Amino acid sequence: EVQLLESGGGLVKPGGSLRLACAASGFSFSSYGMNWVRQAPGKGLEWVSRVSGNGVDTDYTDSVKGRFTISRDNSKNTLYLQMNSLRAEDSAVYYCAKAMGSYYYMDVWGKGTTVTVSS
Amino acid sequence: DIQMTQSPSSVSTSVGDRVTITCRASQGVSSWLAWYQQKPGKAPKLLIYAASTLQSGVPSRFSGSGSGTDFTLTINSLQPEDFATYYCQQANSFPLTFGGGTKVQIK
Repeated sequence: EVQLLESGGGLVKPGGSLRLACAASGFSFSSYGMNWVRQAPGKGLEWVSRVSGNGVDTDYTDSVKGRFTISRDNSKNTLYLQMNSLRAEDSAVYYCAKAMGSYYYMDVWGKGTTVTVSS
Repeated sequence: DIQMTQSPSSVSTSVGDRVTITCRASQGVSSWLAWYQQKPGKAPKLLIYAASTLQSGVPSRFSGSGSGTDFTLTINSLQPEDFATYYCQQANSFPLTFGGGTKVQIK
């Protein structure tokens, strides 16, 4: 069964850091691009970042550029999101999502991990 | 960045009705468009990709159409399990962007 399981969320103070992880199973992890998508409480979906299957190509939404870094360890089938200089507006449920083939439709999603940035 | 605008933001309807949701892109995305369904407290689920291709396992009462800047998601004969929020997403270029969502509620 194809599965994604996020971890690493929690409560952090403004300006702090957090690293999220997403453990993948049931598919050839290195063959697919991966994404992070977030959803603030009561709000819609916001794409955050993506990384290509080989880890070389990355993209970010403007609001996190320079603060967040996406990476992957294909030997461990794990996706990461390093989040630095966190702000209150980064508070959200963070989902990892698998890209579909060569295209960035998201066909498999994790259950999400909650990040709360508050003093 | 490509802005995605959905309408309506919410709709109240009944079991058995047909619902149509529209999504407009601020610039052309060809057919690089997906639709997702999200229920409260759950992760989104891919329904349709490439504007009109039904994802495996999705009931045929869901259909998508459009290309360029204007897209439509239609749900025929709405079922109780279809009450949810629906999002469009463009996959034409980075940053990927979602529409604001359409909440389908019970009348």
